[in-house]
Amino acid sequence: EAEVAQSPRYKITEKSQAVAFWCDPISGHATLYWYRQILGQGPELLVQFQDESVVDDSQLPKDRFSAERLKGVDSTLKIQPAELGDSAMYLCASSLEKGQTYNEQFFGPGTRLTVL
Amino acid sequence: QKEVEQNSGPLSVPEGAIASLNCTYSDRVSQSFFWYRQYSGKSPELIMSIYSNGDKEDGRFTAQLNKASQYVSLLIRDSQPSDSATYLCAVNTGSSYKLIFGSGTRLLVRP
Repeated sequence: EAEVAQSPRYKITEKSQAVAFWCDPISGHATLYWYRQILGQGPELLVQFQDESVVDDSQLPKDRFSAERLKGVDSTLKIQPAELGDSAMYLCASSLEKGQTYNEQFFGPGTRLTVL
Repeated sequence: QKEVEQNSGPLSVPEGAIASLNCTYSDRVSQSFFWYRQYSGKSPELIMSIYSNGDKEDGRFTAQLNKASQYVSLLIRDSQPSDSATYLCAVNTGSSYKLIFGSGTRLLVRP
């Protein structure tokens, strides 16, 4: 069964360090999403790609976060420098269609980030 | 006012009972609605999607949508202890087709 892949599954880092997360969407899925989920809350969208283009990064803290999807397939989310408040689960999701209302999103296993 | 609201719970039901989970949303132009199940420490898993007013059934799950009341619900029949999880309601809003999630309702099914 096709799945969204993410790595690493867990990351512990010290504040001010750089961290990077990787995501490989379900094959053929045009749209890729990065979410952040704080314990006890629902996921919040950080950035959305259609193919290699960013279509929504309004909630991405651009002073420290960056994301890319250079070839329109896999994607990397980076934080530099990490802060204590960045501790959360980082989730990647993908969906098949481009810009469709009825777009079902499927999540990867996530990366649990702890900033010390 | 939050865009998608859910009761945080926990909702506790005995095994075999019907669990009813509710969600309200604020954006009247929302067109698609999703329920995700999330076990502790795991990622969300899509279990139901609904786009039209009325009921949609899939096995033990029934999603109900009332756009006039801006209300969507999930019914779980014959609840099992393995259904114990947090259920997230998600609503597709705006032109960017992004999902807005509620904070989730924690369901506990007692053996």
